[in-house]
Amino acid sequence: LAKTTQPISMDSYEGQEVNITCSHNNIATNDYITWYQQFPSQGPRFIIQGYKTKVTNEVASLFIPADRKSSTLSLPRVSLSDTAVYYCLVGGRSGGYNKLIFGAGTRLAVHP
Amino acid sequence: DAGVTQSPTHLIKTRGQQVTLRCSPKSGHDTVSWYQQALGQGPQFIFQYYEEEERQRGNFPDRFSGHQFPNYSSELNVNALLLGDSALYLCASSNQTVTAFFGQGTRLTVV
Repeated sequence: LAKTTQPISMDSYEGQEVNITCSHNNIATNDYITWYQQFPSQGPRFIIQGYKTKVTNEVASLFIPADRKSSTLSLPRVSLSDTAVYYCLVGGRSGGYNKLIFGAGTRLAVHP
Repeated sequence: DAGVTQSPTHLIKTRGQQVTLRCSPKSGHDTVSWYQQALGQGPQFIFQYYEEEERQRGNFPDRFSGHQFPNYSSELNVNALLLGDSALYLCASSNQTVTAFFGQGTRLTVV
């Protein structure tokens, strides 16, 4: 399973764009990149998932370069409610099952 | 469409006791995974069930066991509870894709 590395913490202000980069040098061919958001005492919430290039949904964008050794989660115009821990995970499904390995995540603090 | 549901939401047990946590996966999902999350840390993988069998297991002792039923719901059992077992227990479900969805968790406190 590919290991991921992301910043321990980040600070931002309301209305700014936040980019969180994750490194995954040993990503396998069939691995996808998934980002989760977690608030205290709640389960992780799925944000976005991608395999290559760019993926966008109503809450975020995910940029993946051609070599797929890193990815960047982009949160446009953050608000105080975006203060949370963000996890980058890399993995695929094979043999009928998958396993998600969480790192320490990135603690994002959004200030007024 | 209900997402992943876990019960109970909170639980207090005494050291040495046994506990059972329950999880109902998202509709259409056949795979259930369990995670333990200590305060301030990322979730740690306990095990995963698919087709009613334990398919993968993390670095957890045999005191942690589970079961998956024909309707894909799952239970996590922990025997001989220790103070260190106090944590948020998370259930995640998925189907034949790589996307997993999590429940709200069960907060277990061992006193």
